[in-house]
Amino acid sequence: QKEVEQDPGPLSVPEGAIVSLNCTYSNSAFQYFMWYRQYSRKGPELLMYTYSSGNKEDGRFTAQVDKSSKYISLFIRDSQPSDSATYLCAMSARSGGSNYKLTFGKGTLLTVNP
Amino acid sequence: EAQVTQNPRYLITVTGKKLTVTCSQNMNHEYMSWYRQDPGLGLRQIYYSMNVEVTDKGDVPEGYKVSRKEKRNFPLILESPSPNQTSLYFCASSRNSPGLVLSEQFFGPGTRLTVL
Repeated sequence: QKEVEQDPGPLSVPEGAIVSLNCTYSNSAFQYFMWYRQYSRKGPELLMYTYSSGNKEDGRFTAQVDKSSKYISLFIRDSQPSDSATYLCAMSARSGGSNYKLTFGKGTLLTVNP
Repeated sequence: EAQVTQNPRYLITVTGKKLTVTCSQNMNHEYMSWYRQDPGLGLRQIYYSMNVEVTDKGDVPEGYKVSRKEKRNFPLILESPSPNQTSLYFCASSRNSPGLVLSEQFFGPGTRLTVL
């Protein structure tokens, strides 16, 4: 079983839809959970960051973490064409000394159609 | 403007011809890292550096070398490139080890490398 599983999609939705993106993980040592957004021909950029179970909201985006189920989600409300991108989940755990190792999901390609 | 820059952005080369991809950041970050991104495999870490003269292997270091002589620069060296190193490469930097609270990782624009 891979450490982080993410459905690659692609996912295509109409403008205004609620989008749900998900990742599961197997490593209980993961402490911090992130979502990155990557536009075509660009590097990833940090979108959301959480470190505890529960919900964190930022505008139209909500990140949800369920550590007991080893499951994280990203919800996008009122999706816009500008949200079309690849979304990568990422998780980190201590890997020795003061170093934390980041493990990425494979990414989900989202297209929001006008 | 705070940024991570990479050069070149695109490179086509032949097997065995040594090449270097440069990476530079202007944010005084201690931590720098190289990733490769491949379809179906996602982002995988090649090497990372926690500070000047401190480097360590990531998940896929074979065939790559790095150096960190200055805080701002972290070049990736392919001494004898092979076709399986054809990939999209990203350099990234952060204040501390990524994943720590408030240590956002900033990515460069990517270098698309093709080895024939």
